[in-house]
Amino acid sequence: QVQLVQSGAEVKKPGASVKVSCKASGYGFTSYGISWVRQAPGQGLEWMGWISPYNGNTKYAENLQGRVTMTTATSTSTVYMELRSLRYDDTAVYFCARAVIPVATKPAFDIWGQGTMVTVSS
Amino acid sequence: EIVLTQSPGTLSLSPGERATLSCRASQSVTSSYLAWYQQKPGQAPRLLIYGASARATGIPDRFSGSGSGTDFTLTISRLESEDFAVYYCQQYGGSLTWTFGQGTKVEIK
Repeated sequence: QVQLVQSGAEVKKPGASVKVSCKASGYGFTSYGISWVRQAPGQGLEWMGWISPYNGNTKYAENLQGRVTMTTATSTSTVYMELRSLRYDDTAVYFCARAVIPVATKPAFDIWGQGTMVTVSS
Repeated sequence: EIVLTQSPGTLSLSPGERATLSCRASQSVTSSYLAWYQQKPGQAPRLLIYGASARATGIPDRFSGSGSGTDFTLTISRLESEDFAVYYCQQYGGSLTWTFGQGTKVEIK
């Protein structure tokens, strides 16, 4: 079935980096882009960025520019999100979610990964 | 950047009642770019409505979306026990950017 499966929970120290994976299955990998959305404990949803597995194009939220990188591995239908220089307020559940390409045809996230808890703690 | 403001913050209702959730945008939003999601504790969000009024696959018809311009509404006609959750609106801002509202919690009265 159509699904996005994410890597497991991570605990990192402040200043470190984390790389979370999101493996797609059950659909044409290059026909859908992937966004990353995070949710701090007890808080709402924050959009982080977008990557197109079709051509590798990326777009990042302004507040994360310079600290986040999203990449794809087409051979394994996997998308990665790396966040650097981690701070305590990066502690959150990180979700990947897909939207069809071209985005303007239906710019909503119809399939979500299960989430990956990233804890930043000294 | 368009800011989405959801109201109320919390809605306390009983099963069988009607729920009306509001999402107001700071600037006009293209209707086809407005979506609603449901999130239960410990779960990923689930797409309910896209294009302001189209139900996603498998979504019961007690969920409906409406609105245009800066005012959008999610209505749950008769609340069932599984509908008590947090609901988020989302807009696509063009140029591959998205924003979410802060959420409305629908709780059992």
